[in-house]
Amino acid sequence: DAGITQSPRHKVTETGTPVTLRCHQTENHRYMYWYRQDPGHGLRLIHYSYGVKDTDKGEVSDGYSVSRSKTEDFLLTLESATSSQTSVYFCAISGQNTGELFFGEGSRLTVL
Amino acid sequence: KQEVTQIPAALSVPEGENLVLNCSFTDSAIYNLQWFRQDPGKGLTSLLLIQSSQREQTSGRLNASLDKSSGRSTLYIAASQPGDSATYLCAVVWGAQKLVFGQGTRLTINP
Repeated sequence: DAGITQSPRHKVTETGTPVTLRCHQTENHRYMYWYRQDPGHGLRLIHYSYGVKDTDKGEVSDGYSVSRSKTEDFLLTLESATSSQTSVYFCAISGQNTGELFFGEGSRLTVL
Repeated sequence: KQEVTQIPAALSVPEGENLVLNCSFTDSAIYNLQWFRQDPGKGLTSLLLIQSSQREQTSGRLNASLDKSSGRSTLYIAASQPGDSATYLCAVVWGAQKLVFGQGTRLTINP
């Protein structure tokens, strides 16, 4: 299995509070991604990173920010969580050579 | 708009059957295509990756084919087992790290 760790795995929070999800990889892969998975919508890309301090928006980036200060860590921040951000969040990584994508186990976030 | 479609949304077959899962995509200028498996409450596990220059890939009882001209990929599962029950997702990359997922096919193998 690819060395990807997501934390926390489960979190319940209240509307308006900030939340940070962390993705840590041990594979030294260049690309890292944050997806959310919702019934009826499938997997949708939030943000991705193509190197340290290099990030770009995905299709559902509103309300989310990211940071990547080290190759191994990619943080997803919800500045002020809303109920519509209740979801399962997945981190993924890929190497430059093949582009094969590997996923973490997911972080389930509930915003009350 | 680049889209990926998987039909059917759900499939139930008896154990031992060979089966085919379908994935279709708009825009044939793909970079690669990847099949995943997802068990309930779990992350996605990569099954097979097909580069745009390849026609098929095999891993054990799984074989994935790619036909860019028709915008289709199939995942063939031989001699299905109850442990194959899961949701299977197809994802297509069109470059610039733009990966689009299908909605998935939920497969149930009945003992």
